[in-house]
Amino acid sequence: AQTVTQSQPEMSVQEAETVTLSCTYDTSESNYYLFWYKQPPSRQMILVIRQEAYKQQNATENRFSVNFQKAAKSFSLKISDSQLGDTAMYFCALFSGNTPLVFGKGTRLSVIA
Amino acid sequence: DAGITQSPRHKVTETGTPVTLRCHQTENHRYMYWYRQDPGHGLRLIHYSYGVKDTDKGEVSDGYSVSRSKTEDFLLTLESATSSQTSVYFCAIRGGSRDYGYTFGSGTRLTVV
Repeated sequence: AQTVTQSQPEMSVQEAETVTLSCTYDTSESNYYLFWYKQPPSRQMILVIRQEAYKQQNATENRFSVNFQKAAKSFSLKISDSQLGDTAMYFCALFSGNTPLVFGKGTRLSVIA
Repeated sequence: DAGITQSPRHKVTETGTPVTLRCHQTENHRYMYWYRQDPGHGLRLIHYSYGVKDTDKGEVSDGYSVSRSKTEDFLLTLESATSSQTSVYFCAIRGGSRDYGYTFGSGTRLTVV
């Protein structure tokens, strides 16, 4: 069975600072995809970044980047130059073996002015 | 972005009544999903569909049924609503074989009183 664990229920960061959200996962598949989704107070689920397991290079999307450690089954999200609009719930998710996306329980991030 | 809409956006219903939530897509995607979101649990899969009239259960399927008679519509029915089904419900669609990221609807907040 696939599992995703986010060990930080809540985090806060000062505006313009950098913050890292942790995620660990487990799967027996050799090829899989990892995602970070953002859910602002509007409730909309927004795809932030994705990583394909067979790609060693860490994915980057503007201020968002990941640290993908395949052997450790770790997939953390780094947000640089945090902005007030980054305040949201963040979900880590795993797609493997053609089974539906499995989500972690989420991390609530607050960006403080 | 992919076209996916959910209806209604909010609903209050009484215990014991049947409720149907609708998900409609305009992208002709094969895979569609229903998740529920509860505090402390993240998103959990209720049911999913991999084609017209082809559906399967997720981890929290008890008390729910689904139907998919057309590619574009995926219905979630609560046969007899209970207070434990008070939640936010999300529908999602999956992109093609080169894009495993999901696109989500805006969610339905269901309250069972």
